[in-house]
Amino acid sequence: EDKVVQSPLSLVVHEGDTVTLNCSYEVTNFRSLLWYKQEKKAPTFLFMLTSSGIEKKSGRLSSILDKKELFSILNITATQTGDSAIYLCAVDHYTGNQFYFGTGTSLTVIP
Amino acid sequence: GAVVSQHPSWVICKSGTSVKIECRSLDFQATTMFWYRQFPKQSLMLMATSNEGSKATYEQGVEKDKFLINHASLTLSTLTVTSAHPEDSSFYICSASGGAAYEQYFGPGTRLTVT
Repeated sequence: EDKVVQSPLSLVVHEGDTVTLNCSYEVTNFRSLLWYKQEKKAPTFLFMLTSSGIEKKSGRLSSILDKKELFSILNITATQTGDSAIYLCAVDHYTGNQFYFGTGTSLTVIP
Repeated sequence: GAVVSQHPSWVICKSGTSVKIECRSLDFQATTMFWYRQFPKQSLMLMATSNEGSKATYEQGVEKDKFLINHASLTLSTLTVTSAHPEDSSFYICSASGGAAYEQYFGPGTRLTVT
């Protein structure tokens, strides 16, 4: 059975801290892994990762994929209160067009 | 960019009634649409995948007679929650894809409350 697990489930940090969110997966015919940020409504796209070891970066956020160990991390440096959200990872596979979402990590950044 | 709308954004209905939620791709043709359900502080759970003009494919554990999905055109899919019960109260999100699966564009979601 396909499985996507994120850790931790929730996290509370102070502004300025650096956080690392984890996503591990067991999915047949893996194609790509995606990270999303969800605040009030629909998730917003952050990164798509298909190749191992290549870091994707956008401002204070970065992410990398390890296809051998079947996991990805999302790093946020110098956190701000606006980073408070649920962070979701999703895995896409070749045998269908569906995404399977992980359990999510709820991040709270306090001033 | 690709825009997906949902209507209504929130709805309250009485137990036993049916509710229809619409998902529209506004500026692209969506060959595939997905319906997700999300409980408070939890992740998105895929309910079903629908391709235009064919029957939806439901995930294991999702009752197809309870959650009727119709994808009659390349820009519109509907989810009807039939004979709604309080346990159906949830946040329902659709997404649409015009081709590559990673290009899923999410709608803003519909909050359903069944009293």
